[in-house]
Amino acid sequence: GENVEQHPSTLSVQEGDSAVIKCTYSDSASNYFPWYKQELGKRPQLIIDIRSNVGEKKDQRIAVTLNKTAKHFSLHITETQPEDSAVYFCAASINNNDMRFGAGTRLTVKP
Amino acid sequence: DTGVSQDPRHKITKRGQNVTFRCDPISEHNRLYWYRQTLGQGPEFLTYFQNEAQLEKSRLLSDRFSAERPKGSFSTLEIQRTEQGDSAMYLCASSMWGQYSGANVLTFGAGSRLTVL
Repeated sequence: GENVEQHPSTLSVQEGDSAVIKCTYSDSASNYFPWYKQELGKRPQLIIDIRSNVGEKKDQRIAVTLNKTAKHFSLHITETQPEDSAVYFCAASINNNDMRFGAGTRLTVKP
Repeated sequence: DTGVSQDPRHKITKRGQNVTFRCDPISEHNRLYWYRQTLGQGPEFLTYFQNEAQLEKSRLLSDRFSAERPKGSFSTLEIQRTEQGDSAMYLCASSMWGQYSGANVLTFGAGSRLTVL
């Protein structure tokens, strides 16, 4: 089955700086890549996703890039704010079937 | 329908006992997923259903775990003869899947936290 690796496991940035989280996947057939944000004690919530037919997608301060050849995708958060502090999970699936998640990145934004 | 509901939110049990968790998905969603999450880790896939059919079950899942979705609506996850290693948050998620839809957005429930003493 699909295996998703996520790096780094923890990331600390100063408010206003950018944060980048990277994920790799094993199955070249994977074609859907969402990112979820989980605040402490809360459920994961989708923040952005990308399909394999595009290389980049942006939504305000958040962007995701996909490199199908290298089988990796990244989350970019610009102008970070303290409320961005959370655990972020990447995931991958084939044809919108079972979703496999990375181990997560704990992002801390220091004011 | 305000989202995915899970019950109970917390369960403390003794080793060897059986436990059952229930998940009520968003009513129009045809897919239902079960995940297990331990502290500091991402959700670990357990199984998923499309309507009442169980389409995939993780090979990591022992025979002590069983899930059902008998009418294609709510689902139950049963763990028999619990072990301390089963202590985790059990997350349910649902989605509206379509063959030609653009994405399979999972909506998660708040989870059922299991503690095995």
